[in-house]
Amino acid sequence: NAGVMQNPRHLVRRRGQEARLRCSPMKGHSHVYWYRQLPEEGLKFMVYLQKENIIDESGMPKERFSAEFPKEGPSILRIQQVVRGDSAAYFCASSPNSNQPQHFGDGTRLSIL
Amino acid sequence: GQQLNQSPQSMFIQEGEDVSMNCTSSSIFNTWLWYKQDPGEGPVLLIALYKAGELTSNGRLTAQFGITRKDSFLNISASIPSDVGIYFCAGFPSGANSKLTFGKGITLSVRP
Repeated sequence: NAGVMQNPRHLVRRRGQEARLRCSPMKGHSHVYWYRQLPEEGLKFMVYLQKENIIDESGMPKERFSAEFPKEGPSILRIQQVVRGDSAAYFCASSPNSNQPQHFGDGTRLSIL
Repeated sequence: GQQLNQSPQSMFIQEGEDVSMNCTSSSIFNTWLWYKQDPGEGPVLLIALYKAGELTSNGRLTAQFGITRKDSFLNISASIPSDVGIYFCAGFPSGANSKLTFGKGITLSVRP
């Protein structure tokens, strides 16, 4: 049973470009969560999605950031017009329902030049 | 909102020693989880606890769900170098539609 798959593992972008981060949840999991982690810091919740719906986006910046989890295909975290401060590790997690433990992918490390 | 407190931020132990970490909250939690994160990887679930007083082991790791439901403990016995990493506690606060809440993590270093 494959775990949570994130790609790419590393992504380099120049300021002003767009970054797209993908996450395929574990088989049988329909709940997806995105977190951001800065070096030496903990996990900061960004957004929670269930197939085709955004359930909670309280941790996501209002501008430039968006997330989707379409009926078919992976969940996408999209960052438009990236800035240096967007450099971080972005982790995706999934669970079978909202009150079950979340299982994490290995993250995408985003670097902005 | 609810917060989980983990301290100290870093711990340094000698290989072979036991180590204990705790996680506390000012409010009641229904579920406690312990994760470990190795450098460059995502957090991995170590132990899940669902009932007050529950004591669960996973190899050399033992975790307990505190009786007050406001704390949890993780013990690692006979530490080895590969135990290094960041240990996060997490939990679901009591109440409907509660969101998984994470502590800030404890970085464990093991000296050979």
